[in-house]
Amino acid sequence: SQKIEQNSEALNIQEGKTATLTCNYTNYSPAYLQWYRQDPGRGPVFLLLIRENEKEKRKERLKVTFDTTLKQSLFHITASQPADSATYLCALPLSGGYNKLIFGAGTRLAVHP
Amino acid sequence: EAEVAQSPRYKITEKSQAVAFWCDPISGHATLYWYRQILGQGPELLVQFQDESVVDDSQLPKDRFSAERLKGVDSTLKIQPAELGDSAMYLCASSSTGTASYEQYFGPGTRLTVT
Repeated sequence: SQKIEQNSEALNIQEGKTATLTCNYTNYSPAYLQWYRQDPGRGPVFLLLIRENEKEKRKERLKVTFDTTLKQSLFHITASQPADSATYLCALPLSGGYNKLIFGAGTRLAVHP
Repeated sequence: EAEVAQSPRYKITEKSQAVAFWCDPISGHATLYWYRQILGQGPELLVQFQDESVVDDSQLPKDRFSAERLKGVDSTLKIQPAELGDSAMYLCASSSTGTASYEQYFGPGTRLTVT
């Protein structure tokens, strides 16, 4: 069955450093992949979408890569700030579904001053 | 900026009672989703509507859960009877149709506690 794996352990980094989060998937060839941010007690917020024919996408301090051979996406936050502390979710569309997403469990990022 | 509205934000109920959640999607969004999120996990799709029609309810426990979107706008998710294992965050999301439809907009969620 289709599976998404994200680091279950929290990522702790110092302010100003680059945070890198990983999303791996199996048994799947998605047409695109999405990243969402979720703060405690709130709904997820869409950040970026990257398509299978795109290797890299950027938005301000965010960068996402998509390696369809490795079946992996990397999510980078450069010059991280304490306000970037949140859980980051990776999501892929399920085969045969109309924009039906399957989400990873998320990785919690903590940026320390 | 348009937002997805949900109510109530918090609900505490006893097991075997009925509970209902309401969602008002962003105006003009034809697709509406209900997700359940257990603490420490990602959201799991329960039901997806396209206008007033259900397009996917494969993960909805139909013996106790029901969902409707009668006029293709707002939606209600009901649980009857509630069980202890239903304690979770219930999230509603919406998206538009067309080539820009992939982004989903989530509401603030309803935190359900079943005692």
